[in-house]
Amino acid sequence: SQQGEEDPQALSIQEGENATMNCSYKTSINNLQWYRQNSGRGLVHLILIRSNEREKHSGRLRVTLDTSKKSSSLLITASRAADTASYFCATDGAGGTSYGKLTFGQGTILTVHP
Amino acid sequence: GAGVSQTPSNKVTEKGKYVELRCDPISGHTALYWYRQSLGQGPEFLIYFQGTGAADDSGLPNDRFFAVRPEGSVSTLKIQRTERGDSAVYLCASSLHNQLDTQYFGPGTRLTVL
Repeated sequence: SQQGEEDPQALSIQEGENATMNCSYKTSINNLQWYRQNSGRGLVHLILIRSNEREKHSGRLRVTLDTSKKSSSLLITASRAADTASYFCATDGAGGTSYGKLTFGQGTILTVHP
Repeated sequence: GAGVSQTPSNKVTEKGKYVELRCDPISGHTALYWYRQSLGQGPEFLIYFQGTGAADDSGLPNDRFFAVRPEGSVSTLKIQRTERGDSAVYLCASSLHNQLDTQYFGPGTRLTVL
């Protein structure tokens, strides 16, 4: 079963606009990670945020984590056509334990139009 | 350096046949993971190796699935008596030391069972 739920399921924007994707989860976590996937193949790790962190930045990416609401958001600023991909959140440590068993959501399909 | 590699990239087989999928992790990574991704879904955890031993195989769907990592590097996922429902992309990931490190994914093997 999948713990994370991404919202929206699909997002279509114009180049230069910002894209925000949300992720909710059900049980306690040690960390939450965001991945990007192109064409249904390999996942590229974007950013990891630990449960004691609230915000993290990496280039045009900004991730927030609210453990009280069990939710996270990924913001991509000044989007580019190359950002078109599926984005997944994944939680580690469901149930308060950490076994390296990443639990993924169903993903958000982002389309950036040139 | 080289990333995680998986072979073959595509495998088509007939129902009832046996298949082996191979994963070469990043050199020096002691932790290795297998996931399975069905169309339109996020990856689902299958098994996690720490060195040569399976630390967590709770995601293997049934006893037709088996994985080995005899020398603590390359891993093979073995599926016996394949069924059409086994069709999916099988993803392998590795991390440096343990389950708390970032997992780096390979490009996956697309398995199609006819």
